[in-house]
Amino acid sequence: DIQMTQSPSSLSASVGDRVTITCRASQNVGKYLNWYQHKPGRAPKVLIYGAFNLVRGVPSRFSGSGSGTDFTLTISRLQTEDFATYYCQQTYSTSPGFGGGTKVDIK
Amino acid sequence: QVQLVESGGGVVQPGRSLRLSCTASGLTFGAYGMHWVRQAPGKGLEWVAFISFDGNKRDHAASVAGRFIVSRDNSKNTLYLQMNSLRREDTAVYYCATDEVVAAAEGATYCDHWGHGTLIIVS
Repeated sequence: DIQMTQSPSSLSASVGDRVTITCRASQNVGKYLNWYQHKPGRAPKVLIYGAFNLVRGVPSRFSGSGSGTDFTLTISRLQTEDFATYYCQQTYSTSPGFGGGTKVDIK
Repeated sequence: QVQLVESGGGVVQPGRSLRLSCTASGLTFGAYGMHWVRQAPGKGLEWVAFISFDGNKRDHAASVAGRFIVSRDNSKNTLYLQMNSLRREDTAVYYCATDEVVAAAEGATYCDHWGHGTLIIVS
């Protein structure tokens, strides 16, 4: 199985900050990498697919980059509604596993 | 408006079986592959299983292979997860989700619509 490692596992930030989350795959996954936002008690929500494609309706302050084994999710200016846990997911293999998550909370 | 509603959760003893259902509305259910994803208490998301739109292709995570079986009935717009030989570590909220394929992005796929989940407690 392909292992997905996210860093950091948690971070504290303020509204307006630029936030960067990284995701590393244990082997090449090309551009088959998605990012999700998950808030307690709610269903996960996809933000980015194919490494850098923004899902319709997702604010443009979210962006994704990378290919192969190293990927990044960037939130350019953090808003109140962005405090949540973020997960990467590879869909290169038939077992599309998630990273361990990065919890973004208020500093 | 797409709706996915999971049901069948509850408290079950270790070693017993349980069947989850996910009923879909607002979409052509038979056109979509479907996933089961779970989240154990205090843990992250874990992919559990996938079934193709026609049921001909199925994949299960190593942690549940041989114990869980994903299936579907397109005539009933319903996805199932048969869970056998349950273990305490299977305790989690179980979500169903649709599989979206983006041909224009080299066949990139992602979990698009999600249900709100059903809680299984193995104890």
